[in-house]
Amino acid sequence: DQQVKQNSPSLSVQEGRISILNCDYTNSMFDYFLWYKKYPAEGPTFLISISSIKDKNEDGRFTVFLNKSAKHLSLHIVPSQPGDSAVYFCAASTIFTGGGNKLTFGTGTQLKVEL
Amino acid sequence: NAGVMQNPRHLVRRRGQEARLRCSPMKGHSHVYWYRQLPEEGLKFMVYLQKENIIDESGMPKERFSAEFPKEGPSILRIQQVVRGDSAAYFCASSYRGPNTEAFFGQGTRLTVV
Repeated sequence: DQQVKQNSPSLSVQEGRISILNCDYTNSMFDYFLWYKKYPAEGPTFLISISSIKDKNEDGRFTVFLNKSAKHLSLHIVPSQPGDSAVYFCAASTIFTGGGNKLTFGTGTQLKVEL
Repeated sequence: NAGVMQNPRHLVRRRGQEARLRCSPMKGHSHVYWYRQLPEEGLKFMVYLQKENIIDESGMPKERFSAEFPKEGPSILRIQQVVRGDSAAYFCASSYRGPNTEAFFGQGTRLTVV
């Protein structure tokens, strides 16, 4: 049962344009969402997050939008740069009794920013 | 994130051998998590630990896999009697205590079982 889905395995965008990566989830218990970026042979790098009480969070070129009623979030990157080419993972968090966070990841979207 | 240190980066084991993966969390982080990424898949949660305690191991296979986070030293993920299906990238992450705090990942250990 895939609780977090990234339906586009790949996305190609021209440099300078906007990249929009999408993510859908099914579990209404998720209350915190994160985006990670991953280069080959490296670990995921945290990009940006959003709490379920918000509908938008912005950090520089990265903006995450959350639509709770649709159980959908998206990551906007503008302007896109060649260095943004990587796999982007959406993750949703549930809280453990011990205070930590369990992340459920999507399968990732490979973003390619072309010159 | 360079702050979470995993070693070794690459590990090759023959079927039936034991694999030991080590993880030192970022300074000040008391929560450690292990995730596994199989080829062409996303990361899957395995286990969540605090010092000397396993808090949740619901994602860990019931047999051959174990994890610890001792009072002193790194967290260890141990896989006994490895099989080819254990070949994957194993990532460790750490975070501060508290809800809705981001987890920072190490560079992973790539286990290959031959």
